[in-house]
Amino acid sequence: DAGVTQSPTHLIKTRGQQVTLRCSPKSGHDTVSWYQQALGQGPQFIFQYYEEEERQRGNFPDRFSGHQFPNYSSELNVNALLLGDSALYLCASSLAGTGNYGYTFGSGTRLTVV
Amino acid sequence: GDSVTQMEGPVTLSEEAFLTINCTYTATGYPSLFWYVQYPGEGLQLLLKATKADDKGSNKGFEATYRKETTSFHLEKGSVQVSDSAVYFCALLDTGGFKTIFGAGTRLFVKA
Repeated sequence: DAGVTQSPTHLIKTRGQQVTLRCSPKSGHDTVSWYQQALGQGPQFIFQYYEEEERQRGNFPDRFSGHQFPNYSSELNVNALLLGDSALYLCASSLAGTGNYGYTFGSGTRLTVV
Repeated sequence: GDSVTQMEGPVTLSEEAFLTINCTYTATGYPSLFWYVQYPGEGLQLLLKATKADDKGSNKGFEATYRKETTSFHLEKGSVQVSDSAVYFCALLDTGGFKTIFGAGTRLFVKA
């Protein structure tokens, strides 16, 4: 049973560039959330997608955008990269309505902005 | 807004020692509470959960009890192993039901 799959594993980008990160949810899950984890800190909620719509958004600027596809996979896009965007980006999935039982996380994409 | 506060690390213990990692929360209502664990170079894994007051979550020898009176969810294990070395995150599901709010994490080192 495949868990949450994220790609790429690591990425190096230059300040000002744009990046796209990808996530395939666990089989049977239909809801995808994205989190940013800076070094030495807890994950911070970016947004959640369900039925191809952004359902809730955290305190992140509009440079962060996302998309969910009909097969429930998702992309996170970040425009005009800043040095401060360097972090581990985590994708988490669940079945709608079961968030109170916890989420399944992927291993993350390590983004370095230079 | 909702928040989670957990004890700062690192916590260093010898194998077979007793572990406690303190966690308190601030929230509207009675959120579901979680402990997640992150091993080096990996994502987060759900360790245990509790969905209502007085519930005890348990898994792999770890336990935590949802204490409404003290707004706490402390993690305990009676005898830690070297393989338990990791970062532990206390978290809650906010009242909207979509966003998980995490504490800053507590790094545990277990020495043989």
